[in-house]
Amino acid sequence: AQSVTQLGSHVSVSEGALVLLRCNYSSSVPPYLFWYVQYPNQGLQLLLKYTTGATLVKGINGFEAEFKKSETSFHLTKPSAHMSDAAEYFCAVSGSDYKLSFGAGTTVTVRA
Amino acid sequence: DADVTQTPRNRITKTGKRIMLECSQTKGHDRMYWYRQDPGLGLRLIYYSFDVKDINKGEISDGYSVSRQAQAKFSLSLESAIPNQTALYFCATSDPPPRAGELFFGEGSRLTVL
Repeated sequence: AQSVTQLGSHVSVSEGALVLLRCNYSSSVPPYLFWYVQYPNQGLQLLLKYTTGATLVKGINGFEAEFKKSETSFHLTKPSAHMSDAAEYFCAVSGSDYKLSFGAGTTVTVRA
Repeated sequence: DADVTQTPRNRITKTGKRIMLECSQTKGHDRMYWYRQDPGLGLRLIYYSFDVKDINKGEISDGYSVSRQAQAKFSLSLESAIPNQTALYFCATSDPPPRAGELFFGEGSRLTVL
């Protein structure tokens, strides 16, 4: 079975500051890892994913995440926050069956 | 038009009533899913279907049933709604592996059970 823990249910950053969202996973098999974003009153959309290969993954809107097996982590970062980044972010993990288990989510607010 | 459409978007009902949430998609995907979102709990999988003749229970299927009427249509039913089924429900679709983790979501159906 797989599970994820997102550290921090709310994160507040200043516009232009680094965004760092933490995700740790637990998996008995090689994990596939995902970050999704949910804007207000919308469904989720995929930001980026890691399955195999390069451990630093780049996604849409300037986000990237690094798979660190030794730390069982898949933290999401963006060097410079924009007001449009205000949303809820979900980390998810699966095995090769692609049945995703989602974390509880982290809400990001961006201060002007 | 949205690729994944859910109806109704909002519904208020009473305990014991039967409710159906409908999902249709124009993505051409064989795989369809129903998730439930609760604050602080993230999304939990209710049911999923890999093709018209395939229905599988997810982690929280009790109290729910589904019907896959066609490749493009997947409906979720609550036979006798109860208040703890108040939640935001999402339908999603995907391709088969290796892109099966790339889910495409509808905009959600907010259900309130009084």
